Amino acid sequence: QSLLTQPPSVSGAPGQRVTLSCTGNRSNIGAVYGANWYQHLPGAAPKLLIYNNNNRPSGVPARFSASKSGTSASLVIAGLQAEDEADYYCQSFDTSVSAPVFGGGTKLTVL
Amino acid sequence: QVHIVQSGAEVKKPGASVNVSCRASGYALTKYAMHWVRQAPGQRPEWMGWINPDNGKTYYSQTFRDRITISRDTSAATAYMELTSLRSEDTAVYYCARETNWGYWSFDLWGRGTLVSVSS
Repeated sequence: QSLLTQPPSVSGAPGQRVTLSCTGNRSNIGAVYGANWYQHLPGAAPKLLIYNNNNRPSGVPARFSASKSGTSASLVIAGLQAEDEADYYCQSFDTSVSAPVFGGGTKLTVL
Repeated sequence: QVHIVQSGAEVKKPGASVNVSCRASGYALTKYAMHWVRQAPGQRPEWMGWINPDNGKTYYSQTFRDRITISRDTSAATAYMELTSLRSEDTAVYYCARETNWGYWSFDLWGRGTLVSVSS
């Protein structure tokens, strides 16, 4: 099974810290390429937040951080802001199917 | 400003084909692999294939191998994705995404998506 599993939704109040999880297996997150994370606002282009488990591209605020442990990955958003309300997707490369694979996404609601 | 410009929404009948284009703006198309990802309503994103715009080599997902063709026109800085024998399940937003040069199969620049609706 090459799917990545994410909780459908998570919420937090402004200023709080939330953690989004992504569970894979040894063929994807647990393999060499690790996990990437994207933010997707409705009608907009998806935005790369994290690549290779814990690296932020230039321009991504430091309050977005991530880590990997075994076959799971986590995205942490600190100091929640209203503009963070979006869908968040994890993605990896699955060596068993030789293809990129995506999680089902987590909808973040800022209360 | 660096971005990808995608073609507009399409409405197609079952059995027809669709061609979606992505024009690279502000960067050289040939310097980065271009991938295609689609997302059907309520579904997770699904990877379809990619092209090396420099040499035109392509690689397709097994799911779409019989129906997809990805190509490019370097003079127009544009990549194309054609999907044939459309069915209702192909109704989705189709994205092109630039792969980073850092490896890791990550995508650092995306188009805003092209809605393809398939209905009789």
